[in-house]
Amino acid sequence: KAGVTQTPRYLIKTRGQQVTLSCSPISGHRSVSWYQQTPGQGLQFLFEYFSETQRNKGNFPGRFSGRQFSNSRSEMNVSTLELGDSALYLCASSYDRGFWYGYTFGSGTRLTVV
Amino acid sequence: GQQLNQSPQSMFIQEGEDVSMNCTSSSIFNTWLWYKQDPGEGPVLLIALYKAGELTSNGRLTAQFGITRKDSFLNISASIPSDVGIYFCAGQDFGNEKLTFGTGTRLTIIP
Repeated sequence: KAGVTQTPRYLIKTRGQQVTLSCSPISGHRSVSWYQQTPGQGLQFLFEYFSETQRNKGNFPGRFSGRQFSNSRSEMNVSTLELGDSALYLCASSYDRGFWYGYTFGSGTRLTVV
Repeated sequence: GQQLNQSPQSMFIQEGEDVSMNCTSSSIFNTWLWYKQDPGEGPVLLIALYKAGELTSNGRLTAQFGITRKDSFLNISASIPSDVGIYFCAGQDFGNEKLTFGTGTRLTIIP
């Protein structure tokens, strides 16, 4: 079956702009989580969505937001981009909340802010 | 944010050698996961552990859930070139339905 699909794979944006990233989970998976990965900070949890509701949130500023649609696809948005937002953004999906068996990551979106 | 203490940070080994890495936490975890990440890709789940003391193998990989519930170990036997990558541990602590990731161990195989 198809894996977790993230689009786009690469993105270059200018400081101050906003960006929207997309994540399509594995068919049947209802929980989608987002992570930011940087060399200095490792994998940092952004938020989790389940049944179109944000269920958990990491320690990121309000410029980072997300949503989930009825088909479980999710988007995350970063407004007023800063240079420090340059990172690999990963999403992961699972069948249910806290259900780690089959917890699968996408290949990520590499965001570069210039 | 919170992170697990993973060691070593990097390893340089020769093909055929065995590898050991571990993660420790100040919190008690009820789940430990081990992932491998190749350059430009997302992490791939290698082994999942759900009970204290549990020892699980996946081919040449063996992982253990520490008895104290605060640590986990991953061993790779007879390393091969495709083992190169970054290995992450991740854990879930009680009452918190999200994963915390370790800082990663970068494995390099010297020709």
